[in-house]
Amino acid sequence: NAGVTQTPKFQVLKTGQSMTLQCAQDMNHNSMYWYRQDPGMGLRLIYYSASEGTTDKGEVPNGYNVSRLNKREFSLRLESAAPSQTSVYFCASSARGGTGATSYNSPLHFGNGTRLTVT
Amino acid sequence: GDSVTQMEGPVTLSEEAFLTINCTYTATGYPSLFWYVQYPGEGLQLLLKATKADDKGSNKGFEATYRKETTSFHLEKGSVQVSDSAVYFCALSQNDMRFGAGTRLTVKP
Repeated sequence: NAGVTQTPKFQVLKTGQSMTLQCAQDMNHNSMYWYRQDPGMGLRLIYYSASEGTTDKGEVPNGYNVSRLNKREFSLRLESAAPSQTSVYFCASSARGGTGATSYNSPLHFGNGTRLTVT
Repeated sequence: GDSVTQMEGPVTLSEEAFLTINCTYTATGYPSLFWYVQYPGEGLQLLLKATKADDKGSNKGFEATYRKETTSFHLEKGSVQVSDSAVYFCALSQNDMRFGAGTRLTVKP
């Protein structure tokens, strides 16, 4: 089972360049998430999507945009990259959410991450 | 808002030593609590979870008990192995999933 697949695995950008991180899940999950991981700060939520067609800001949304293309895919876009966006980015999905009952017990399933360096 | 605080690392132990990684949380409601583990070069994986007070989550020899009176969810293992070397994250889920900063564990032979 593929689970959550992220591309690319590594990326180097120059300040001001743009790029899109791709994420797809094959578990029929309602909810999808983008986190960034920085040393000593754990994971911080950038954006999430509780269901197809909806997106919401997390803790650190500035400088990012997202698109929930369909139930499987959730992309993260950096329009004008900055050195402060150097980080490891993780996509995740869970069975939680949707327009009906929620399931707060549902764990997150993570991709293997994208290591982004902005010079 | 909701938050998680876990003990700072790194933690270095010898094989077969006892492990405790402390985790406390702040939340207004009744969150579910989780421990995740991250091996080098990989994403986080669920290790165990507990959904209500006094629940004990367990997996692969690891245990954690949901203590509402002390707002804690400490991770324990009686005898660690080299293969347990990883970064461990405590997390709570209510409106969304919030993570602690992570604790790096190194187990030496």
